[in-house]
Amino acid sequence: SQQGEEDPQALSIQEGENATMNCSYKTSINNLQWYRQNSGRGLVHLILIRSNEREKHSGRLRVTLDTSKKSSSLLITASRAADTASYFCATDSTGANNLFFGTGTRLTVIP
Amino acid sequence: DAGITQSPRHKVTETGTPVTLRCHQTENHRYMYWYRQDPGHGLRLIHYSYGVKDTDKGEVSDGYSVSRSKTEDFLLTLESATSSQTSVYFCAISGDSGSSYNEQFFGPGTRLTVL
Repeated sequence: SQQGEEDPQALSIQEGENATMNCSYKTSINNLQWYRQNSGRGLVHLILIRSNEREKHSGRLRVTLDTSKKSSSLLITASRAADTASYFCATDSTGANNLFFGTGTRLTVIP
Repeated sequence: DAGITQSPRHKVTETGTPVTLRCHQTENHRYMYWYRQDPGHGLRLIHYSYGVKDTDKGEVSDGYSVSRSKTEDFLLTLESATSSQTSVYFCAISGDSGSSYNEQFFGPGTRLTVL
């Protein structure tokens, strides 16, 4: 399966701390995307990083991509209680028009 | 949410009955997808569509069929529901360049229970 794997499966931090989640995948990709899912809701896109990019920022989010190691990380800085959610990485594959999602990291931010 | 609705939002059915889930979009996006989400498995692609009457299988397509007769509607049918198909089903859409270069927008999900 091409499905990515997030690490850790669950993460609990205090409000104001930084949260780092990692994603590993198996095959060559065009792009990697990160999504957030609040409990009982659909997924919401956070950020897309292309295979020729190494780092990308969006607000309090920082994503890195290391294609040689087939891994990505998502850093959320100065976390807030509202960041409590599950976070998923999603990869495509060359020539495909669909995404493969990982199993997610469950982040809990304690006020 | 982007203009995506799913119906029904909740359904309880019995083993062996057919079930159809509907996804409706108002964004005129070319690509539409059906996923199922189960604990420990994340989201897995069932089928997707790249245009009217154009569909393809995903990772877990056995026991499911789809149809897309209009741009805005993508139907998922469980021909004979089994307990293993108890899950939360999500529809998603993406633009003309497909998911390699565009984000996917997700619907609110349908919780299906097969007794």
